[in-house]
Amino acid sequence: EAAVTQSPRNKVAVTGGKVTLSCNQTNNHNNMYWYRQDTGHGLRLIHYSYGAGSTEKGDIPDGYKASRPSQENFSLILELATPSQTSVYFCASGDYRGSNTEVFFGKGTRLTVV
Amino acid sequence: AQSVTQPDARVTVSEGASLQLRCKYSSSVTPYLFWYVQYPRQGLQLLLKYYSGDPVVQGVNGFEAEFSKSNSSFHLRKASVHWSDSAVYFCAVSMPNYNVLYFGSGTKLTVEP
Repeated sequence: EAAVTQSPRNKVAVTGGKVTLSCNQTNNHNNMYWYRQDTGHGLRLIHYSYGAGSTEKGDIPDGYKASRPSQENFSLILELATPSQTSVYFCASGDYRGSNTEVFFGKGTRLTVV
Repeated sequence: AQSVTQPDARVTVSEGASLQLRCKYSSSVTPYLFWYVQYPRQGLQLLLKYYSGDPVVQGVNGFEAEFSKSNSSFHLRKASVHWSDSAVYFCAVSMPNYNVLYFGSGTKLTVEP
């Protein structure tokens, strides 16, 4: 069964601290994504990756870094967390194969920066 | 650049009534189109997708959507809603050969008994 697992599910961080959000997929998908969800904005793309060792900037990359050390793992790093980064973060994995395209999402990480 | 607009932030319908959730996209080419549903404290689950061919596509749980190239729309429909359909619904697009999903702002559906 397709699975995307995020950890932690909830996190409280202090302003200026470093935060790492982790994502693991067992779907053997090449592509992985980090989105944040805020009321009124839907999901906005932060970073994505086409495979191990690659990361690409999405629409709102400022203040975030990403790391893809392996096919299965994709991390989102906040080097200096700010209250404006309080949000729900979703990881996804996917493969685009025309009508067989599939994209699966994790259950989200709720991050509060105080 | 592509964009997705869901003009209705909230929709309330009575159980058993029909439903239409609206989605319009802006793109220079016909994108791939998706509808996802999000239940409370959950991730997103795919309802249906459109790539080509028949403009009406069927999804899970009785949902269907109709693609209109002339209107740049991909509206979601259901003939008779159930209270368990209460959730947030997202329309999304992806450009051919560009493996990224872009989302609308979502529509929160409330089904009243």
